[in-house]
Amino acid sequence: NAGVTQTPKFRILKIGQSMTLQCTQDMNHNYMYWYRQDPGMGLKLIYYSVGAGITDKGEVPNGYNVSRSTTEDFPLRLELAAPSQTSVYFCASSYGTGAYNEQFFGPGTRLTVL
Amino acid sequence: AQSVTQLDSHVSVSEGTPVLLRCNYSSSYSPSLFWYVQHPNKGLQLLLKYTSAATLVKGINGFEAEFKKSETSFHLTKPSAHMSDAAEYFCVVSENSGGSNYKLTFGKGTLLTVNP
Repeated sequence: NAGVTQTPKFRILKIGQSMTLQCTQDMNHNYMYWYRQDPGMGLKLIYYSVGAGITDKGEVPNGYNVSRSTTEDFPLRLELAAPSQTSVYFCASSYGTGAYNEQFFGPGTRLTVL
Repeated sequence: AQSVTQLDSHVSVSEGTPVLLRCNYSSSYSPSLFWYVQHPNKGLQLLLKYTSAATLVKGINGFEAEFKKSETSFHLTKPSAHMSDAAEYFCVVSENSGGSNYKLTFGKGTLLTVNP
């Protein structure tokens, strides 16, 4: 199993550009998540999905959009990039969402907006 | 809302000496707690989790953590540090976000440096 894979690893965007961060998992997990990690901070939840066709906002959703057309894929879309979106983005997945469920993380995408 | 506070942003130890990374939590009921590790330029990996079955939890790579309700703490320890333990460590609490869904709340992280 490859686990959770993310592309690209690095990206530099200009203000106002758009891009899609790709995330794929091969563990047949229903639950998927997008987080951002800023320096000296823990991870903040952007969006999550409880299954194909179902998504919901997390703590910091503004400026982002998601879709979930298949169990495996959960892309994150930035429509109008802003410097405040410079961050490291992690995708994660889990089998369930109970209190003790482990989340499995991808290696991250480092995004810089100039 | 539940929260976690990692008391040290940076801990530096010598190889072969004990490691102590401190975490306090706030919760109105029995929490679900985790420690995750993030090696440089990698994703997060689960070290261990507290599931209320036992207060002393053993994880991977020789780490363990003890849940102390009276002190609202879940400190991470290892008897002898190895160079490969150098990483950032996150204390995490799982919180019910509605219905049967839970979300993770992360501490700000503790960077562990291991000196030869």
